[in-house]
Amino acid sequence: GESVGLHLPTLSVQEGDNSIINCAYSNSASDYFIWYKQESGKGPQFIIDIRSNMDKRQGQRVTVLLNKTVKHLSLQIAATQPGDSAVYFCPTSMDSNYQLIWGAGTKLIIKP
Amino acid sequence: DAGITQSPRYKITETGRQVTLMCHQTWSHSYMFWYRQDLGHGLRLIYYSAAADITDKGEVSDGYVVSRSKTENFPLTLESATRSQTSVYFCASSEGLAGTDTQYFGPGTRLTVL
Repeated sequence: GESVGLHLPTLSVQEGDNSIINCAYSNSASDYFIWYKQESGKGPQFIIDIRSNMDKRQGQRVTVLLNKTVKHLSLQIAATQPGDSAVYFCPTSMDSNYQLIWGAGTKLIIKP
Repeated sequence: DAGITQSPRYKITETGRQVTLMCHQTWSHSYMFWYRQDLGHGLRLIYYSAAADITDKGEVSDGYVVSRSKTENFPLTLESATRSQTSVYFCASSEGLAGTDTQYFGPGTRLTVL
């Protein structure tokens, strides 16, 4: 069956350092990937997306890398700030594209 | 410019009662979704809708009912609430399919079933 996995449930980083959050997926047919951020008490919100014809996409302080060979995504956050504290998700689609499978997410903790 | 709203934000009810959670979006997105999120877990799909009057079950649909008579509204009803349905419920909408487009989420409804 299909699965979505995150390598680390919790990641602690020093304020100002770079953060890297990893995500594995198993649906080879997935061609669109989104990273969501969920702050405490709020709904998930879009951070950045990437399509399968790209290896890398950059936003403001965030970069997503896609390695289709090993079915791996990573989210890099530069100069991590207290406002980056959240749970990060990389849901991927099932075969039908009607449903997303969400893992437990990675909780990013910023140390002062 | 509200985007997507949910009501109520908090609800306490008793086992066996019927509860309806409301969701309203102002973008005229075709797709709408209901998820539940249990403490420390990701989101699980309850129901989704591709358009008005078109709905389909998700991963955890037992005990829930939805309707979509208007594009902008997607109410979720718990016909006879159980304690296991205590959770945070999120509504979302998107222009396209879940696997091809960004979903926009409401603020959530925290439901407690006593």
